[in-house]
Amino acid sequence: AQSVTQLDSHVSVSEGTPVLLRCNYSSSYSPSLFWYVQHPNKGLQLLLKYTSAATLVKGINGFEAEFKKSETSFHLTKPSAHMSDAAEYFCVVTILTGGGNKLTFGTGTQLKVEL
Amino acid sequence: NAGVMQNPRHLVRRRGQEARLRCSPVKGHSHVYWYRQLPEEGLKFMVYLQKENIIDESGMPKERFSAEFPKEGPSILRIQQVVRGDSAAYFCASSPTADTASNSPLHFGNGTRLTVT
Repeated sequence: AQSVTQLDSHVSVSEGTPVLLRCNYSSSYSPSLFWYVQHPNKGLQLLLKYTSAATLVKGINGFEAEFKKSETSFHLTKPSAHMSDAAEYFCVVTILTGGGNKLTFGTGTQLKVEL
Repeated sequence: NAGVMQNPRHLVRRRGQEARLRCSPVKGHSHVYWYRQLPEEGLKFMVYLQKENIIDESGMPKERFSAEFPKEGPSILRIQQVVRGDSAAYFCASSPTADTASNSPLHFGNGTRLTVT
């Protein structure tokens, strides 16, 4: 079984300050981990993915995440928030199974960026 | 290149009616996944299809829900005799292979928002 826990349902930051969105995972096997972003009334866009290569993963729009096996964490960070970053962010875990690949989503973190 | 296309974007049905949600995957993608997002929740897996075959429907309710992905045409998620609890956003995703983890992450559509009145 696999699961993800997003520790904060809402995060509020000021524009230009760092962003930290926390995610812990649980998986019986070596997981693949993703962060997706969802803007209002839109589909999901992949920000970045970890698939057992480099533990520090760089994604789009200046986001990055670090896979820490000892802490079972995959926190998402960005050095400087922009107004356009306001959206909902989902941490996702998956393992490749014989019958394809199912994603397990966290409950999401709503990021608010204030002036 | 067109991404995953879902229609309609919004669908309103009265209790007891049928809802049909369509998903056209990215051209060349033969693997389709349906997910449901309830308010204030993350997406939950419903069903995984590969052209003409249902591979995994472990997340789909046993009654009233069905899905298909015919050889020609879009994938269809069908909900019969809808109830208020079916109100949610339904997302379709596609990939060219089963291995979405390493090389080809899922491409998501913009979703269909179903409202049951």
